Amino acid sequence: GQSLEQPSEVTAVEGAIVQINCTYQTSGFYGLSWYQQHDGGAPTFLSYNALDGLEETGRFSSFLSRSDSYGYLLLQELQMKDSASYFCAVRDSAAGNKLTFGGGTRVLVKP
Amino acid sequence: DAGITQSPRHKVTETGTPVTLRCHQTENHRYMYWYRQDPGHGLRLIHYSYGVKDTDKGEVSDGYSVSRSKTEDFLLTLESATSSQTSVYFCAISEPGLQLGDTQYFGPGTRLTVL
Repeated sequence: GQSLEQPSEVTAVEGAIVQINCTYQTSGFYGLSWYQQHDGGAPTFLSYNALDGLEETGRFSSFLSRSDSYGYLLLQELQMKDSASYFCAVRDSAAGNKLTFGGGTRVLVKP
Repeated sequence: DAGITQSPRHKVTETGTPVTLRCHQTENHRYMYWYRQDPGHGLRLIHYSYGVKDTDKGEVSDGYSVSRSKTEDFLLTLESATSSQTSVYFCAISEPGLQLGDTQYFGPGTRLTVL
């Protein structure tokens, strides 16, 4: 099976940088995704990494190291609207198109 | 936004009653999923479908059944609801190869309370 570990909560101030780490164990790694979910809302896709390295999308970047079974989501120039939960998810080649999600990291941005 | 709706959005029911949740999509995506979300557990897959009448179990399928008679509809049934099934239920869709990482698009969720 698959398992993912990520911190449960992170607090930071506006304008700061936050890094959310995700370590995973899986038998046939295919890719790592990140989703954002605001309170009361639905998860929405942020980014996907299949190869080692950094993917940048505006203020958010995602990194993957396949050899270390590790990835992170980097939130830069934090804004109040970034207060949300962030989930990493792995796609396992042995599990078809199913995703396994981590428990989520709640990010609280303070003024 | 992907065209995914869930009904009902909120439901309160009693232990032992049957409950059916509906997910409807207008995107013609092949894959559909049902997840439950509970504090501290993230999103856990209940069942998924990879085509009409093609379904398979997820990690927390006990007590749930699904049906998919049309591409656009995926039903989740709790045959006899229990208090442990109180949760927020999300439907999601994806189309392999269409989006990077086979992105899943989520519906707005159904909050189910079993008394």
